[in-house]
Amino acid sequence: QVQLQESGPGLVKPSETLSLTCSVSGDSISGFFWSWIRQPPGKGLEWIGYIHSTGSPFYNPSFKSRLTISVDTSKNHFSLKLTSVTAADTAVYYCARYGCDGGKCYFFDHWGQGILVTVSS
Amino acid sequence: EIVLTQSPGTLSLSPGERATLSCRASQSVSSSYLAWYQQKPGQAPRLLIYGASSRATGIPDRFSGSGSGTDFTLAISRLEPEDFAVYYCQQYGSSPPWTFGQGTKVEIK
Repeated sequence: QVQLQESGPGLVKPSETLSLTCSVSGDSISGFFWSWIRQPPGKGLEWIGYIHSTGSPFYNPSFKSRLTISVDTSKNHFSLKLTSVTAADTAVYYCARYGCDGGKCYFFDHWGQGILVTVSS
Repeated sequence: EIVLTQSPGTLSLSPGERATLSCRASQSVSSSYLAWYQQKPGQAPRLLIYGASSRATGIPDRFSGSGSGTDFTLAISRLEPEDFAVYYCQQYGSSPPWTFGQGTKVEIK
């Protein structure tokens, strides 16, 4: 059973860079699409972006200028970097694996537990 | 961007009752690439339904999904105590971003 675990600082100062890593265990990261999703406190879910194990990222246009998603297959993990953060970036950040059906990968069948990142000075 | 609007915002029901949740898309969702998730407080979302009507592994058959185009429904035939939670729909359209609805809370009446 694949398991995902987010890690990184829980507090980031405004204008700095938010960096998170998602470690994957129980299965290889290779051959799958992996995503970041966030949820501001008390609010709904927002898709941030995804990356395939081969290294091709795709971003939500809302984040494109600030966002980098990368993958390290040797470490079986993928990462998120979000620059120039503000209080609006305060959220629980989830990593998730895409599930596939009929050759199309479009839903999230495995999720990490989430990590709360607060942007505050 | 496809906007998903879920209704009602809150559904107050008793255990054993039937729940019907709606998810309406601002544009047609191609090939029924629509999923439903359940989220309990302090937990990550859990996949319930994909492809509009296919149950995910381990999901009880009291959960069912239906719909196509712009109108989708999640039904819970007989609410169990563990079903009281927030439910989200999510679409995969022809272009990003791939969005979630704002959620429907199913609470105990």
